[in-house]
Amino acid sequence: GAGVSQTPSNKVTEKGKYVELRCDPISGHTALYWYRQSLGQGPEFLIYFQGTGAADDSGLPNDRFFAVRPEGSVSTLKIQRTERGDSAVYLCASSLLGSGEQFFGPGTRLTVL
Amino acid sequence: AQKITQTQPGMFVQEKEAVTLDCTYDTSDPSYGLFWYKQPSSGEMIFLIYQGSYDQQNATEGRYSLNFQKARKSANLVISASQLGDSAMYFCAMRATGANSKLTFGKGITLSVRP
Repeated sequence: GAGVSQTPSNKVTEKGKYVELRCDPISGHTALYWYRQSLGQGPEFLIYFQGTGAADDSGLPNDRFFAVRPEGSVSTLKIQRTERGDSAVYLCASSLLGSGEQFFGPGTRLTVL
Repeated sequence: AQKITQTQPGMFVQEKEAVTLDCTYDTSDPSYGLFWYKQPSSGEMIFLIYQGSYDQQNATEGRYSLNFQKARKSANLVISASQLGDSAMYFCAMRATGANSKLTFGKGITLSVRP
């Protein structure tokens, strides 16, 4: 079956612009996670959805970052007034309820010029 | 809070030999899970193996085994019979109590397999 998909695969934007990153989880997976991976680092947690609601958003760095999952499947990570420090690979993962294993997508590489 | 420490520099191993990748962790949770993921140059995170904190036996998955030493708070990954395709970044990660909790990752280790 299809895995987690993320679009776009690459996004280049200018400082101050708004961007949206999309994640399509594996069908039937109720849990969805966003992580950010900077160069040479491990992924860092941003936010976790259980169904439509954000169960844990403690990893969002500031109020420029926001994520939604209105119908409990596709999620969009939104970044306002982008800064050069936002440049990273944004990874999405999903899992079944009650299962610890998270399946990751290929990521979106965001570059802020 | 959870913390994962991976301090080895880039690792090299000869094809067909075994290699151990180190991971130590810190947590105050009595129940937790430990994971290893592989990240090839393509960027996708590939799940390798899982160890629960209350599991009595070390986890194994094919050529991968996890050397879990709870008292030392270590969860080293052992790859047997290395293959060229094993060259990648390897991340150790921890999940706190609750099956759907977030993962906390280490910085990763680069493994290069020599022919």
